Amino acid sequence: DTAVSQTPKYLVTQMGNDKSIKCEQNLGHDTMYWYKQDSKKFLKIMFSYNNKELIINETVPNRFSPKSPDKAHLNLHINSLELGDSAVYFCASSQGSGSLGTEAFFGQGTRLTVV
Amino acid sequence: GQSLEQPSEVTAVEGAIVQINCTYQTSGFYGLSWYQQHDGGAPTFLSYNALDGLEETGRFSSFLSRSDSYGYLLLQELQMKDSASYFCAVLEGRRALTFGSGTRLQVQP
Repeated sequence: DTAVSQTPKYLVTQMGNDKSIKCEQNLGHDTMYWYKQDSKKFLKIMFSYNNKELIINETVPNRFSPKSPDKAHLNLHINSLELGDSAVYFCASSQGSGSLGTEAFFGQGTRLTVV
Repeated sequence: GQSLEQPSEVTAVEGAIVQINCTYQTSGFYGLSWYQQHDGGAPTFLSYNALDGLEETGRFSSFLSRSDSYGYLLLQELQMKDSASYFCAVLEGRRALTFGSGTRLQVQP
């Protein structure tokens, strides 16, 4: 069973389009994240949800909107895609804050290419 | 804010030992984690140090010195499959993990 699964794995789309990436975890974790990994492999936090509540919203354009319908799901919707949005987007989950939050489980990533 | 520094690249030969260092600046420190990421793959958790000292897990060990804001990952008996990127990461308060820029390890025959 896949612990953190995200779809799609690859996404190629044109500038200006709107797209969504879905993420689900079956670990019973209460915290979920979206990370962006650029071409230099730098992993940067975008959003974090704890029990469906947004707790981190880093400096991300408001074209990016996360949605957590329940604590097992965290989706990412991106409006008006730009070339600079091309990256690998990782969903992750962990059990709460404190030391337990140091072990995050990552999905396999979504490679987004904007052309 | 938080910042972590680690070398960008390390090369070693099969069977050797390699150490990847990480220095950090953060507040509300919970501990230092290490993650491995193969090309095209997802980051996977390797280890976590909350207290000073060495933690050993098979061929991998991780060390932390809180007073020096420094840690390292030690990989022994290197194998070709260890070629990957290695990230140190810290968790501050209820925030998400902040990752270093990653160290690309190349293991040569």
